[in-house]
Amino acid sequence: EAGVAQSPRYKIIEKRQSVAFWCNPISGHATLYWYQQILGQGPKLLIQFQNNGVVDDSQLPKDRFSAERLKGVDSTLKIQPAKLEDSAVYLCASSLEAGFNQPQHFGDGTRLSIL
Amino acid sequence: DQQVKQNSPSLSVQEGRISILNCDYTNSMFDYFLWYKKYPAEGPTFLISISSIKDKNEDGRFTVFLNKSAKHLSLHIVPSQPGDSAVYFCAAKGTSYGKLTFGQGTILTVHP
Repeated sequence: EAGVAQSPRYKIIEKRQSVAFWCNPISGHATLYWYQQILGQGPKLLIQFQNNGVVDDSQLPKDRFSAERLKGVDSTLKIQPAKLEDSAVYLCASSLEAGFNQPQHFGDGTRLSIL
Repeated sequence: DQQVKQNSPSLSVQEGRISILNCDYTNSMFDYFLWYKKYPAEGPTFLISISSIKDKNEDGRFTVFLNKSAKHLSLHIVPSQPGDSAVYFCAAKGTSYGKLTFGQGTILTVHP
């Protein structure tokens, strides 16, 4: 079974520029999550999709972050404009269903550095 | 407000001995708990989980214990191996749709 795929692995941009990350979840997984992991901390949920609908985006800074899930499969997360505090690893995860006790499976993440 | 805490930033054990990683939580609505292992430059890998209706779950060398009255869970690794050296995160799920709240992580180093 192929795992969660993310690209790019690394990205360096200057503050105020824009950036986008891509995620392809495990086949058949209805739920997709984007997490932000700042160095020395655990992952923090940014947004959760069930199929192509948003079920939780309470911690997404909506003035600069946006995300979409096309046709209930792939997803993109965008930051525009980026701030220095956005330097982090952005992790995508997927699970079969959100309502049941199913583990989430993570991709290797995109490491974002803001100069 | 940190709802899931791992108070030990690091742990060092000898190969073959037991590793015990601890995690405390404050939200009594959490009903499902997980442990993840993370190597550098990789995403977290699911290790083991436990539902709030149980107090113990075992999978090979890994055992998770849950003490609901103390709001405490622990991960036991026996015997520890050098390949177990990684960052370990505990996570908890509440009644909302699948959202996981993570602890800060504990760096485990197993010496040969």
